[in-house]
Amino acid sequence: DSGVTQTPKHLITATGQRVTLRCSPRSGDLSVYWYQQSLDQGLQFLIQYYNGEERAKGNILERFSAQQFPDLHSELNLSSLELGDSALYFCASSAGVLAGDEQYFGPGTRLTVT
Amino acid sequence: GQNIDQPTEMTATEGAIVQINCTYQTSGFNGLFWYQQHAGEAPTFLSYNVLDGLEEKGRFSSFLSRSKGYSYLLLKELQMKDSASYLCAYMDSNYQLIWGAGTKLIIKP
Repeated sequence: DSGVTQTPKHLITATGQRVTLRCSPRSGDLSVYWYQQSLDQGLQFLIQYYNGEERAKGNILERFSAQQFPDLHSELNLSSLELGDSALYFCASSAGVLAGDEQYFGPGTRLTVT
Repeated sequence: GQNIDQPTEMTATEGAIVQINCTYQTSGFNGLFWYQQHAGEAPTFLSYNVLDGLEEKGRFSSFLSRSKGYSYLLLKELQMKDSASYLCAYMDSNYQLIWGAGTKLIIKP
């Protein structure tokens, strides 16, 4: 158990809908990362927050947005969903943004868009 | 630019040794990570190298050569449970992790 929690574990929704994925980092970790992993594909970095502020953006679509709240939990919002958005969405956290700060991954949310 | 490469798939025999290579090109470097990911599960941390040389942790070892932009993960005494994807990632000058596509390791009895 990494200490990172994600809800829900599974989500099935229809095209055009909007969903919110939630992540609670490990106790004490200030940095949160969101990743997308499609079937048999590598990890695609979406976005990073550090202590409530956006720190880095990866290949995140305009239909997707995220935020980190004062209690450090984070939410990833996916809107106007398409079939191609079906994937595993991982949240990870790290202590900070220093060299060697390993990322601890949550169990993921499996999103299926039908 | 950001470029990292590792083999897509490798096959090895239970009890044997396998070496998974990772090469990268970057102008800024703050270390290299290896993660293990079983199918459908979260990646888990295996090792971090920032200095040249070999780091050993039980059956797993990781090597780094900064001048060559090269790392490898060495797995000894392979077990069936080692069947997984192995992800390498380097940390760039902004402390961002740049991920390889992963190497799927298949262990045969």
